[in-house]
This record gives sequence, C-alpha cells and structure tokens, in this order.
Amino acid sequence: EDKVVQSPLSLVVHEGDTVTLNCSYEVTNFRSLLWYKQEKKAPTFLFMLTSSGIEKKSGRLSSILDKKELFSILNITATQTGDSAVYLCAVPSSGGGADGLTFGKGTHLIIQP
Amino acid sequence: GAVVSQHPSWVICKSGTSVKIECRSLDFQATTMFWYRQFPKQSLMLMATSNEGSKATYEQGVEKDKFLINHASLTLSTLTVTSAHPEDSSFYICSARSEGGKLFFGSGTQLSVL
Repeated sequence: EDKVVQSPLSLVVHEGDTVTLNCSYEVTNFRSLLWYKQEKKAPTFLFMLTSSGIEKKSGRLSSILDKKELFSILNITATQTGDSAVYLCAVPSSGGGADGLTFGKGTHLIIQP
Repeated sequence: GAVVSQHPSWVICKSGTSVKIECRSLDFQATTMFWYRQFPKQSLMLMATSNEGSKATYEQGVEKDKFLINHASLTLSTLTVTSAHPEDSSFYICSARSEGGKLFFGSGTQLSVL
C-alpha cells in the first residue's frame, strides 16, 4: 500500500521566515511526487518532481526530490501571510493506468504578520 | 489554464436523502476523473476513478452502491451519495486529467447531512 507522510503537521512562523516542509513516501512503483497548496478548498498545483537532485523553483518556493532516501522537501523563503495554507504532498498510486493520487495529511502552515 | 467546475459548493440535506455532485471540465476533455473525500484535518482520500463510458473503479472500503458515479461524457462526471447519513458529511472534491496528463481540481463540495 502506498504511503505518504508529511511533517510537521502544523507550523507557525513569522513573516519573513524561511520554512522547510518534509514529505517521505513509500510506493511500489514510483513515477513522480507532487506538491499542492490548499488554501480554501481546491488544491492548486505547485511542483511535480521526477528526478533526484534537481531543484524546481518558482519564485520563493522551491522543491527537491531524493529518490534514494525517498523524500522531498518544499522550501518557502521570505514567507508572507499569503503563504498560509495547507501544503499537500502526493504520489500517483502504484497501480497501472490512470490511478489517482495518494496524499499525505498535509502541513498546515500559518504565517503570522 | 484548464478549469474544473464542481457544483454545488455546499449542500445540506436530511438523513436518508440522496445528493448529486457534478464535476465538469470546462475547456478540455477528461477521459478520467477522480473523486476524493476529505474529513476535517485529514488528507484527501481517493474514493474512485471515473472513466468515461465505463464503470468507475472504487477504492477498497468505498461502497459502490452508496457512492454512484456516472461519467457519461468527456466533460462531466457525477457522484451521487445515496441515502446519505451524518457520517457521510465531508468535503468531496473531484479532479480531472487533461489530455496532457495534468490533474486539475474542482473547488469541492461541502456536504452536511442532518
């Protein structure tokens, strides 16, 4: 059974701080790892990682994958109150075909002014 | 960008009634859509995979007779919660896979069963 574990489950920091969110996974047939930001309802896509060691970057957000140690991190630098959200990590299910995603429980990030 | 519309955004119903939730891909065709359920402070849990023109594939522990899925066209999948009970109260969200393989999520439906 595929498994995704995120830590911490919640995090409160001040504006301007840098945060690192963690995601470890166990999948039978790894294809990719995805990060989403869930603010109110619908998760919005952040990154898809398939290769180890290659950092993906989008503004103040960056992410990297370690396929040997089976984890990924999501970094947010110079945090802003608008970064407050639940950050979800997910992997496509190991079954073949168009299977859905297995999500972690998410990290609830709160940025205080 | 691609948009997935989900309706209604929230619904309150009496115990024993049925509720239908629609998921539409507005600007792309989605042969595959997914339905998830999210309880408070829990992760999104995949309920079923909806395939256009064929039967849905349900995850273990999800009752197919209770959660009816219909994917009659390339842009519409519906989830019907039959004989809803308070324990079915949850946030239901769909996602659709575009031709390019990307996943887009609907805005979700908050179901409250009294």
